Amino acid sequence: KAGVTQTPRYLIKTRGQQVTLSCSPISGHRSVSWYQQTPGQGLQFLFEYFSETQRNKGNFPGRFSGRQFSNSRSEMNVSTLELGDSALYLCASSLRSGVNYGYTFGSGTRLTVV
Amino acid sequence: ELKVEQNPLFLSMQEGKNYTIYCNYSTTSDRLYWYRQDPGKSLESLFVLLSNGAVKQEGRLMASLDTKARLSTLHITAAVHDLSATYFCAVVRYTGTASKLTFGTGTRLQVTL
Repeated sequence: KAGVTQTPRYLIKTRGQQVTLSCSPISGHRSVSWYQQTPGQGLQFLFEYFSETQRNKGNFPGRFSGRQFSNSRSEMNVSTLELGDSALYLCASSLRSGVNYGYTFGSGTRLTVV
Repeated sequence: ELKVEQNPLFLSMQEGKNYTIYCNYSTTSDRLYWYRQDPGKSLESLFVLLSNGAVKQEGRLMASLDTKARLSTLHITAAVHDLSATYFCAVVRYTGTASKLTFGTGTRLQVTL
């Protein structure tokens, strides 16, 4: 059974550019959540998608956005990149939203902004 | 706002010793998770604790939950080098239609010979 697939694994971007990260959940899972991990702020919730709808959003600026497709794959986009956006971005796959089926995390995308 | 605190932040321990990591959270939660993260890697789920008094054990790790005290502990018995990693607790709350994990700061465990 395939796990959670995040692409790309590594990314280097320049300040001011934009970036799109992808997450394919476990087959049959319909909920995808995104988290940002930095040494200073730790692991912080970005957003949760279920059935192509954003169900929850963390305390991040509007430069951070996302979407979910009908096949449950999700993308997150960061526009006008800042140095502080350098982080490990993790997505978590869950069977459903709002009830506990556990979370399986992908390997993450390491974004470096220079 | 839900806050999750872990201590200690860093733990250096000798092989064979026992120790406990503490996780306190500020408001009622629905589930508590423990995760392990190796450097540069993703989060590996260790335990999910559902109710007051829950205790789960896997190998040298044992997790417990006291919902009245809003406290979870991760106890390490007879540590071995392979347990060196960062451990996170995380609390989840449901709103009926949405949920999110709120993570603790993490405890970096270093087991030395």
